[in-house]
Amino acid sequence: AQSVTQPDIHITVSEGASLELRCNYSYGATPYLFWYVQSPGQGLQLLLKYFSGDTLVQGIKGFEAEFKRSQSSFNLRKPSVHWSDAAEYFCAVGAAYNTDKLIFGTGTRLQVFP
Amino acid sequence: EPEVTQTPSHQVTQMGQEVILRCVPISNHLYFYWYRQILGQKVEFLVSFYNNEISEKSEIFDDQFSVERPDGSNFTLKIRSTKLEDSAMYFCASSKLAGVTGNTIYFGEGSWLTVV
Repeated sequence: AQSVTQPDIHITVSEGASLELRCNYSYGATPYLFWYVQSPGQGLQLLLKYFSGDTLVQGIKGFEAEFKRSQSSFNLRKPSVHWSDAAEYFCAVGAAYNTDKLIFGTGTRLQVFP
Repeated sequence: EPEVTQTPSHQVTQMGQEVILRCVPISNHLYFYWYRQILGQKVEFLVSFYNNEISEKSEIFDDQFSVERPDGSNFTLKIRSTKLEDSAMYFCASSKLAGVTGNTIYFGEGSWLTVV
């Protein structure tokens, strides 16, 4: 069965530092991968998605993610974190072609110190 | 930017009571979804809805759950007889297209349901 693992429940970084949030998936075929962010009081907002092609995907708010098939990973990165990036980040995989279902990880809560 | 709106933001209900969670999807979207997140657990798919029918549902979505689009704008999730384990954040979502490939699904802020 498809699954998504986000190994880090909580990460704390200083403002201006680089960030990498880990995501590993389990899926037999080519995955459709997503990163969502939930800021306090907000809904889940799509940061970026990977369907095919270039394995380095650019998203909104200066985020990028790299799909590595050999490692079954889709880690989210940002070179310099801003205080407004403090939020919960969710990695998700499309369960299969022609399905409506997204399978989410448990999320990583990012705290940013000034 | 258009957004999915949900009401109420937080509801406390007694076990056994019926609850209706409401959602207004983005106006030109045709596909609607409910997900939930029990505290400390993963966000889980419940159901998808298109053309006034359920198109896909998970094993969680049993007979105590129902969805409806009562008019042209609202999309509701009804839980007939709530249980303690229904306590969760419920997310409504919508999209223009079907499926998760080549498609962006927009989520609301969530409705936090507490069953006591």
